[in-house]
Order: sequence, then C-alpha cells, then structure tokens
Amino acid sequence: DAKTTQPNSMESNEEEPVHLPCNHSTISGTDYIHWYRQLPSQGPEYVIHGLTSNVNNRMASLAIAEDRKSSTLILHRATLRDAAVYYCILRIPQAGTALIFGKGTTLSVSS
Amino acid sequence: DVKVTQSSRYLVKRTGEKVFLECVQDMDHENMFWYRQDPGLGLRLIYFSYDVKMKEKGDIPEGYSVSREKKERFSLILESASTNQTSMYLCASSLYRLLQGEQFFGPGTRLTVL
Repeated sequence: DAKTTQPNSMESNEEEPVHLPCNHSTISGTDYIHWYRQLPSQGPEYVIHGLTSNVNNRMASLAIAEDRKSSTLILHRATLRDAAVYYCILRIPQAGTALIFGKGTTLSVSS
Repeated sequence: DVKVTQSSRYLVKRTGEKVFLECVQDMDHENMFWYRQDPGLGLRLIYFSYDVKMKEKGDIPEGYSVSREKKERFSLILESASTNQTSMYLCASSLYRLLQGEQFFGPGTRLTVL
C-alpha cells in the first residue's frame, strides 16, 4: 500500500488559516486522497477527498500537487472545534476496501 | 442525519468472557467495518463485511469473529476476551456503489478487559 507522511503536530491560532501537509510520493494513478479527522473521544469523521483536481467543501479545501506526490488540507479559518488529529489516507476505488490510517497530525488551536 | 451507533460507550469485562459489540447503521449501507484503535498504533482493521452474511478478514482478525445477519447490523465477537484486547473499538459503514466514498464512524466503544 502506498504510504503517507504527515507532521506529528501543528499549532494554529483561532481564525487563522491552517495548511496541513501530506506527502505520498508512491501514490498510484488510481489512489484517491482522503482526509479524515478525529476529535477527542469521538470516532473519525470524513473531511474531504480528491483525485487530481483541487476540491472544496463546507469544511475545508484540498490542494493536490500537479504530480500528486503531495497534498495540503486547508482549513480557511481555524476554530477551537477544529482541534483534532487529521489523517491523510490513500484509497483505491475498490468496493469494500477499508481505510488505512497512519498516525496523523495533531492540530492544536489556541484562542 | 446519518448515524452509526454502537451499543456501549464503555465496557468492562473479565478475561475469558465472551464479549459482543454491536453496531447499527441507519443509512442502508452495504459495507460495514470494525477497527480497533490503540495509542501509537492508530486504527487497524479487524473485519469488514460488504453484504449480509459476507465477511472478510482485515489486518488483525485473530481472537475476533463477526456476524452480519441483517444489513443494518454488524456485530464483533470476542470469543474469549484477553487483556490485550483492551482497546477502543470503532465501527464504520459506507455505501457500496460509492467506491471512493466516505466512511461514517460510530462514537466508539472503550473496552477494558481485566
């Protein structure tokens, strides 16, 4: 399985943008890039996913490098509620496949 | 609002007991998954199911079994609980035809085996 590399931790201030990087240099052409986050004492929740083009939704934006070997999750205005562990996951589009979680990035947000 | 519910948030059992963890989803999803989460090891897949009565082993199936008799319900069974099965157990579901779609997770069951 293709692997992802993320920083262990990042810090941000409230209402500032946050850029969470992910390296996936061995990504294959069919791997989708997924981001999940896990708030304290909760199960993971889906944030966003993409294949080649940049993606936006109500939670975040996903910027994918042209060579697809890295991507960045962008939280446009961090809130205290965004403090969580963020996981970057590569996923092949095969029915029933599970998610392979790495260690993720622990994001701290200060007021 | 879509929902995955798990039967208990916290559970304490004794070594050797048979333990049932229940998961129910109300989204008519075909795929259901059981993970365990441990500090420093992240989430690891135990079993998954892509249809009623179908099951597939994940990365760490030893010591566990599963049951999927109805589409909405996926049970994880610890045949004889051991202390190394103390962990957070997370259930998830996803829609079959959305091959790259999101997985929805339950709140987790924190199991302690004494």
